[in-house]
Amino acid sequence: GAVVSQHPSWVICKSGTSVKIECRSLDFQATTMFWYRQFPKQSLMLMATSNEGSKATYEQGVEKDKFLINHASLTLSTLTVTSAHPEDSSFYICSARDLSRQETQYFGPGTRLLVL
Amino acid sequence: GENVEQHPSTLSVQEGDSAVIKCTYSDSASNYFPWYKQELGKGPQLIIDIRSNVGEKKDQRIAVTLNKTAKHFSLHITETQPEDSAVYFCAASDSGGYQKVTFGTGTKLQVIP
Repeated sequence: GAVVSQHPSWVICKSGTSVKIECRSLDFQATTMFWYRQFPKQSLMLMATSNEGSKATYEQGVEKDKFLINHASLTLSTLTVTSAHPEDSSFYICSARDLSRQETQYFGPGTRLLVL
Repeated sequence: GENVEQHPSTLSVQEGDSAVIKCTYSDSASNYFPWYKQELGKGPQLIIDIRSNVGEKKDQRIAVTLNKTAKHFSLHITETQPEDSAVYFCAASDSGGYQKVTFGTGTKLQVIP
């Protein structure tokens, strides 16, 4: 149980295009999902907290107009990187909080984004 | 906000030996401390967690201890195996409504066969 999936697992795009990443909780409901970014050999940095049915909460320094988050259901959140640039190349990871297990967060496998 | 420090950044042990990773946190209101294992190119995997009302928790070869007074917690892996090689992250949960998790800087563990 407690499986989180992400799609796609990797994506290569041209500079200036937009990329959408999906995060799904497969066997549990998650009113809260989190989006992280991880650069090589670094820790995970929280970008935003995604809440079902309401606007996401962004961390300081994260542009909400560039990283669009939609949490339309209890099992799906999407992150859209708009007008991607090479510096947006990173490993994007989502997590979902299982309501039945209090604070426990389960992570997806990550999405590798390369912007050319 | 919460700040989590983690040491060491790298750790090499011989197979069968024990490995210890230590973390400190700054927010005395934090009450949930998970540990994650991340293999190359994959997302973090929860391996054990502890809540502030418990001082120690064990799961087979893995144990975690928590000292709330000193605001530090540690991960202990006994009888290490090559498949334990990975990056390990400690974390502390924000006491706010969304219970955000703040990660430590990570420890790269290498178990030498």
